[in-house]
Amino acid sequence: GAGVSQSPSNKVTEKGKDVELRCDPISGHTALYWYRQSLGQGLEFLIYFQGNSAPDKSGLPSDRFSAERTGGSVSTLTIQRTQQEDSAVYLCASRRMGQREETQYFGPGTRLLVL
Amino acid sequence: KNQVEQSPQSLIILEGKNCTLQCNYTVSPFSNLRWYKQDTGRGPVSLTIMTFSENTKSNGRYTATLDADTKQSSLHITASQLSDSASYICVVGGGNTPLVFGKGTRLSVIA
Repeated sequence: GAGVSQSPSNKVTEKGKDVELRCDPISGHTALYWYRQSLGQGLEFLIYFQGNSAPDKSGLPSDRFSAERTGGSVSTLTIQRTQQEDSAVYLCASRRMGQREETQYFGPGTRLLVL
Repeated sequence: KNQVEQSPQSLIILEGKNCTLQCNYTVSPFSNLRWYKQDTGRGPVSLTIMTFSENTKSNGRYTATLDADTKQSSLHITASQLSDSASYICVVGGGNTPLVFGKGTRLSVIA
């Protein structure tokens, strides 16, 4: 019955390092989304996974960003060679498919700071 | 370009007062409009969702309205409480396209 969980909750890294952010969706939710929320900005769509379909990667800002979803459950967002402008809150959301207007449930986010 | 504009950017009100937040959108095609509440340091939580045919939807002290002709929505909060202090985000869905998020209205309710 737990909600979407994300880890770590906070991450501080040096410019140029790689980071991995993890998302555990709600059990049974087949759709999973990654968003980025920068200070004072709206949520920015990054990538969308739906079941076994090819992911929608249209929101990834550069080839330094990639994401995987293993076994249709846990997802990992990887940022390679981090830059200072990557500093943001990275939010994961999951959704139960079936109804078109199904609500997305968000995790608490990972706050990334690139020094 | 698909956009969601919210106003005001921030708002301070006294506890117990009512307030109304605005959302204008240019998303096409339009499928649904949602209001989310995001407490500081937390992920957004859904308050209401309305489809094209719905004009109003309530969730406790929160009432959302939708005018699909003018592409406007409002979120009215009645008898505000300190716990209502949060960012309120308007989100528009276009069916199979990614959701478009507004930047949010930052509401502060003070005693």
